[in-house]
Amino acid sequence: SQTIHQWPATLVQPVGSPLSLECTVEGTSNPNLYWYRQAAGRGLQLLFYSVGIGQISSEVPQNLSASRPQDRQFILSSKKLLLSDSGFYLCAWSVIRGPGDTEAFFGQGTRLTVV
Amino acid sequence: QKEVEQNSGPLSVPEGAIASLNCTYSDRVSQSFFWYRQYSGKSPELIMSIYSNGDKEDGRFTAQLNKASQYVSLLIRDSQPSDSATYLCAVGQAGTALIFGKGTTLSVSS
Repeated sequence: SQTIHQWPATLVQPVGSPLSLECTVEGTSNPNLYWYRQAAGRGLQLLFYSVGIGQISSEVPQNLSASRPQDRQFILSSKKLLLSDSGFYLCAWSVIRGPGDTEAFFGQGTRLTVV
Repeated sequence: QKEVEQNSGPLSVPEGAIASLNCTYSDRVSQSFFWYRQYSGKSPELIMSIYSNGDKEDGRFTAQLNKASQYVSLLIRDSQPSDSATYLCAVGQAGTALIFGKGTTLSVSS
């Protein structure tokens, strides 16, 4: 069965520090991978998605970046964190079961607090 | 800009009642529709998906889709306190990422 690993679970970082969150998927090949962010009490905001190695689409311009160095690895980074980067970061992967039939499954999330 | 709208709630129902959650979407070409449940501090978990107009039942859950009205709903029968959570509606199409609504908070009182 497919499994998605995301770490760390919680992170406290000072303003201006770098960030690296990692996500890996097991049990599937060539998945679509996503990073979402959820601010406190808010909905899920799509940050990046990737349909293959080195292919990244950015949905929201900001000081975050994403990379996909391997088929089943997706990394979210920042060179300098802002207070507004605090939130719950969720990695997801999707499977296409048929025409128009796409489902997404989430990792456990990383709760980032920028202080 | 693709949008998915949900009433934020909270929606309060007594134990054993039917909870009705609603969602509208703006992109007429959307093909896939999903309901996720999210407990506080946890990641969303997929409850149901629906692709065709009409009803789809799975246990106590029924998803209803009306593409002409761009409307999708989730009914929870015999609501339990453990159903108390935020329910997220998501909409998508092949080759693109799912777009989520902000979620409806459901509270089931015993």
